[in-house]
Order: sequence, then structure tokens, then C-alpha cells
Amino acid sequence: GAGVSQSPRYKVAKRGQDVALRCDPISGHVSLFWYQQALGQGPEFLTYFQNEAQLDKSGLPSDRFFAERPEGSVSTLKIQRTQQEDSAVYLCASSLRTGDYNEQFFGPGTRLTVL
Amino acid sequence: AQSVTQLDSHVSVSEGTPVLLRCNYSSSYSPSLFWYVQHPNKGLQLLLKYTSAATLVKGINGFEAEFKKSETSFHLTKPSAHMSDAAEYFCVVSVLSNSGYALNFGKGTSLLVTP
Repeated sequence: GAGVSQSPRYKVAKRGQDVALRCDPISGHVSLFWYQQALGQGPEFLTYFQNEAQLDKSGLPSDRFFAERPEGSVSTLKIQRTQQEDSAVYLCASSLRTGDYNEQFFGPGTRLTVL
Repeated sequence: AQSVTQLDSHVSVSEGTPVLLRCNYSSSYSPSLFWYVQHPNKGLQLLLKYTSAATLVKGINGFEAEFKKSETSFHLTKPSAHMSDAAEYFCVVSVLSNSGYALNFGKGTSLLVTP
């Protein structure tokens, strides 16, 4: 079956541009997560959706970042006025249910480079 | 707050020799712990998870980990390394956030397997 997919896989943006990163979770998965992975680091939590509700956005680094999941399936992470420090791999994950023991399935990530 | 510390940023082993990747955790309650593997240009894949059912957890590809409360450790082991095991490994703890559970990753251990 299909896993989590993300697009684009690679994105190069000039500083100040807006970008939109897409995540297609596994069909039927209730929970969706976004993580940011800087070079040589582990992923860090950005935000979490349960269906269409964004229940936690405490990890978003600034008000230039926002995410949506309007119909409870596909999600988009948008970064406005990109800065060089935004360069990272952005990972999306989904899980069937909420709960601390539920496996999160990760997509391949979008590598964002801001020049 | 729940967190994990991976004690080695790089580990090098010869093919056919045992693998030991070390992880200590910090948690105010019995944690849910995971090991994920990340191969280059591929998504994170779950190796195994501990959810208090058994202290010795067996995962995929011959990996296992033992939860030791007295040592606050969750080390990952494999009896015999294979070339295909070369990858980045992350020890992860599930964290209760504002409205759900997110994953808190360690900084990762890069495993190199030499012929």
C-alpha cells in the first residue's frame, strides 16, 4: 500500500520567497505531524493535527510558519518570507490513531534550501 | 520533560561483529521509547518500540533493545552487523504535548559498517 508522500522532494528558494510543502498521509490516518530536521540533527516537532484540527503548533519557530489540513487528509506547510535558517528537511508523519504508543509513519521529506 | 540522549554520534563496526548503539532517557513516568532508522534519501523507519509490555523488545532486521529502568537506558543491539545496516539511528521518546503525543528525537548515531 502507499505510504506517506511529500512534494516537492527538493525546493530551492531565494530569501524572502514564500514556499508551500505538501504532505499526503496514509489514507485513514487520523493524526498528522510535521517535523523539521536540520543538517546533522534529529527531527524536531513543529505541529500536530487530529483530523482537520490543529491541536498543537507549539513547535513552529515563528509566525512565518503555518500549516493547514482543511479536509483532514492532505496537509500543507507554508513558510512565508523564507530565511536562510529555514533551510532543512521537512518531514511529515501520520499515525492511525492518537496515543503515545502509536507508530508514526514518515514520508521521505522535502529538502528546502534557502539561498 | 521527556528526553533522550544518544551517547555516541558515530559508531564504526566491522561486518559480522556486534552492534551497540547507546541511549539514555529522562522521564518522569514510564516512557514509550522507539528506535528509528534513516537511510540516505529515505524516510524514517521504525525499528522497534517499547510500551511497557516487555523489557526486551525485538524489532526488524535482527535488532533488539532492552529497557532498563534502573539505568534509564534503552540501548539498541544486533549480534552481527550487515553492510546494509549502515545508516543514521535515532532513539526517540513519546512526549505528551498540549493535546496529543509527539516524538522527541535524540541527535542520532551514524553507524558505519566496514567490510
